[in-house]
Amino acid sequence: GNSVTQMEGPVTLSEEAFLTINCTYTATGYPSLFWYVQYPGEGLQLLLKATKADDKGSNKGFEATYRKETTSFHLEKGSVQVSDSAVYFCALGSNAGGTSYGKLTFGQGTILTVHP
Amino acid sequence: NAGVTQTPKFQVLKTGQSMTLQCAQDMNHEYMSWYRQDPGMGLRLIHYSVGAGITDQGEVPNGYNVSRSTTEDFPLRLLSAAPSQTSVYFCASSYGAGSSGNTIYFGEGSWLTVV
Repeated sequence: GNSVTQMEGPVTLSEEAFLTINCTYTATGYPSLFWYVQYPGEGLQLLLKATKADDKGSNKGFEATYRKETTSFHLEKGSVQVSDSAVYFCALGSNAGGTSYGKLTFGQGTILTVHP
Repeated sequence: NAGVTQTPKFQVLKTGQSMTLQCAQDMNHEYMSWYRQDPGMGLRLIHYSVGAGITDQGEVPNGYNVSRSTTEDFPLRLLSAAPSQTSVYFCASSYGAGSSGNTIYFGEGSWLTVV
């Protein structure tokens, strides 16, 4: 079945540091890949997505590239801010098996804390 | 813009009680779903619906019931609450299948504790 593995957290960084959160996946077919962010006390929001191999998703200074050869979708940001403190979820979406819904499979989440 | 609205935000139940978590969206989305979020486990799909009158089970459906009588509303019923159902519940909606790249909109969550 499909699965998503994220790097263990929590991650603690100083403001303006470089961020990488690793995400690897297992899936049949050609899934779409997503990063969702959850700020304290809120629901999840889509941060970025990529729907085919070698696509790069980007938003708010965050980037992730869909690497089919390494089955990875690592999240990066060159200079983090205190306001980036949140929980980040990698997710995979697949329509394999003919389901009309297309289930999303989430990783366990990585807590990021950025200090001034 | 209201988006996806969940109520209640917090609830404490006794074992064996029943309750309904309400979810409404005002974006005319066909796809709606309920997830539960537990520490270290990400989000797991409970039930979903691809349109009014159509529902199906997700990964962890046991102990929960849903119905979809209108496009806007998708309530989640706990039939007989158990401590294992202590969790944060999220309702979500999207125009099309989220797996295909359609943006999924999440509610703010409902914190449920079963004692």
